[in-house]
Amino acid sequence: DTAVSQTPKYLVTQMGNDKSIKCEQNLGHDTMYWYKQDSKKFLKIMFSYNNKELIINETVPNRFSPKSPDKAHLNLHINSLELGDSAVYFCASSRYSGTGTDTQYFGPGTRLTVL
Amino acid sequence: DAKTTQPTSMDCAEGRAANLPCNHSTISGNEYVYWYRQIHSQGPQYIIHGLKNNETNEMASLIITEDRKSSTLILPHATLRDTAVYYCIARRGGSQGNLIFGKGTKLSVKP
Repeated sequence: DTAVSQTPKYLVTQMGNDKSIKCEQNLGHDTMYWYKQDSKKFLKIMFSYNNKELIINETVPNRFSPKSPDKAHLNLHINSLELGDSAVYFCASSRYSGTGTDTQYFGPGTRLTVL
Repeated sequence: DAKTTQPTSMDCAEGRAANLPCNHSTISGNEYVYWYRQIHSQGPQYIIHGLKNNETNEMASLIITEDRKSSTLILPHATLRDTAVYYCIARRGGSQGNLIFGKGTKLSVKP
């Protein structure tokens, strides 16, 4: 069983389109994240949700809207896609420990290409 | 969270120990040292973490200096599958949030 899964694995789309990436974890974790890895391989946090509530929202355009229907899912919807949105998007999850020692488990990534 | 500094790349012979250094000279007392790695095209994978004491698990050992300003990740018997980018991250205890990834060290294990 895959612990953190993402769909789709690859997404190719035209500029201006709206697309969604789905993430699911079956680890019983209460915190989920979205990270973006650009072409230079820098990995940066975008959002973090704990128990379906947004706790981190880095400087991300409001075209990006995360949605957490339940603790096991955190989907990423992107409106009006731009060329600069091309990247690999990773979902991750963890169980909040209160001590900062929680381990994050990452999904396999979704490679988004905007043409 | 404290900044960490790692060499850009390292080579290691298959079967030998890989020792990956990390400098975190501004680390504060409640910041843990975490190591993750990213094998090509995959999601990052947790390896190990520690606060003050040396730690060992089935994947690796973590040696933290007494002043906590630097640490070394040791892969005791590197295999070709250990070729990856290794990230050293300082993370505040009690924080509920993201990992701040630097550029990491690209480890190449060669036959």
